[in-house]
Amino acid sequence: EDKVVQSPLSLVVHEGDTVTLNCSYEVTNFRSLLWYKQEKKAPTFLFMLTSSGIEKKSGRLSSILDKKELSSILNITATQTGDSAIYLCAVYWAAGNKLTFGGGTRVLVKP
Amino acid sequence: DSGVTQTPKHLITATGQRVTLRCSPRSGDLSVYWYQQSLDQGLQFLIHYYNGEERAKGNILERFSAQQFPDLHSELNLSSLELGDSALYFCASSVGLPDQETQYFGPGTRLLVL
Repeated sequence: EDKVVQSPLSLVVHEGDTVTLNCSYEVTNFRSLLWYKQEKKAPTFLFMLTSSGIEKKSGRLSSILDKKELSSILNITATQTGDSAIYLCAVYWAAGNKLTFGGGTRVLVKP
Repeated sequence: DSGVTQTPKHLITATGQRVTLRCSPRSGDLSVYWYQQSLDQGLQFLIHYYNGEERAKGNILERFSAQQFPDLHSELNLSSLELGDSALYFCASSVGLPDQETQYFGPGTRLLVL
């Protein structure tokens, strides 16, 4: 059965700290892994990682896919209060026909 | 603003009733996806349509159905509603292939079943 697990469930940091979020998966025929940020409303896309693109970076955010360990990490450096959100990981599998989300990690950045 | 629109924003109804949620994708996007987000289940993928055809099904109940029309807007029909169907329903769209394109989410429809 497909499974996508995120850890930790939540964390609280101070501005300027670095956070590392984890996403592990057990699926059949993995295709890609996506990271989303969800604040009060709808999720917004951050990164997509595939077999041909296992590392992505955008400003203070970066993500790496470890195909051997079946996991991915999302790093946020020099955190700001605006980074406070729920971060969701999702995995496309079964040749791209299935999409499963993890439970999310709630990040709170205090000033 | 993602360019994806959903109506209505909020919906309150009673158990046993039927409702229809509507989604208009971004201009040019052929794929539409439906998701359900509840407090205890997180974000769940329901169904994906591409250019009018069903492409993938997720955890969608038999009481739920969807379709995508020739103008590419989509509707999600929820029938015989139960209290547990109360959730935030998101629609997302993308240009084409599901695992090679970014999905853009609409603002969601919040459904409350009393």
